Amino acid sequence: GDSVTQMEGPVTLSEEAFLTINCTYTATGYPSLFWYVQYPGEGLQLLLKATKADDKGSNKGFEATYRKETTSFHLEKGSVQVSDSAVYFCALRAPDSNYQLIWGAGTKLIIKP
Amino acid sequence: SQTIHQWPATLVQPVGSPLSLECTVEGTSNPNLYWYRQAAGRGLQLLFYSVGIGQISSEVPQNLSASRPQDRQFILSSKKLLLSDSGFYLCAWSGTSGYEQYFGPGTRLTVT
Repeated sequence: GDSVTQMEGPVTLSEEAFLTINCTYTATGYPSLFWYVQYPGEGLQLLLKATKADDKGSNKGFEATYRKETTSFHLEKGSVQVSDSAVYFCALRAPDSNYQLIWGAGTKLIIKP
Repeated sequence: SQTIHQWPATLVQPVGSPLSLECTVEGTSNPNLYWYRQAAGRGLQLLFYSVGIGQISSEVPQNLSASRPQDRQFILSSKKLLLSDSGFYLCAWSGTSGYEQYFGPGTRLTVT
């Protein structure tokens, strides 16, 4: 079945460091891919998305590129801030599904000043 | 613009007591609605989803139930809570294509 695998956390970085959170997926066809962010005690917010191969989603300095050849959608940011500390979830929607998202386990990011 | 509300924000209930969590969506019609549970430090578990009034699909067998009495209202219930029901409950909505989902602020439930 379809699945999403994220790198285990927590990921701890210093402020202004470069961030990569790995996400790989297993799915048939061309799924849509998403990154969500969850700040402490809050619900999830859609961070960015990509719907076809080679698409790049971007928002708030974060980027992720849909790589069909490596079945990956890694999240990157050039210079992280303390306010980026949160849990990040990668998810996919299979092309034959109209309701369900398949979720990764989440990666906790801690940014130290 | 669309907004999604959940209440209460926090709840402490004894084992064996009933539960009712409510979720409402504004600014859209005929949304798909979802209930998720998130255990402490864990990922998301889809509990129920609904594509219309009175239409509920359950993903995980448990002592919880869901109802959708109105187009933009989704209720999560239990007749008797278990300790294992503790967690963070999230309601979400999507358009009928189910493309991306938008989440409410969540309800923190502690069963004592």
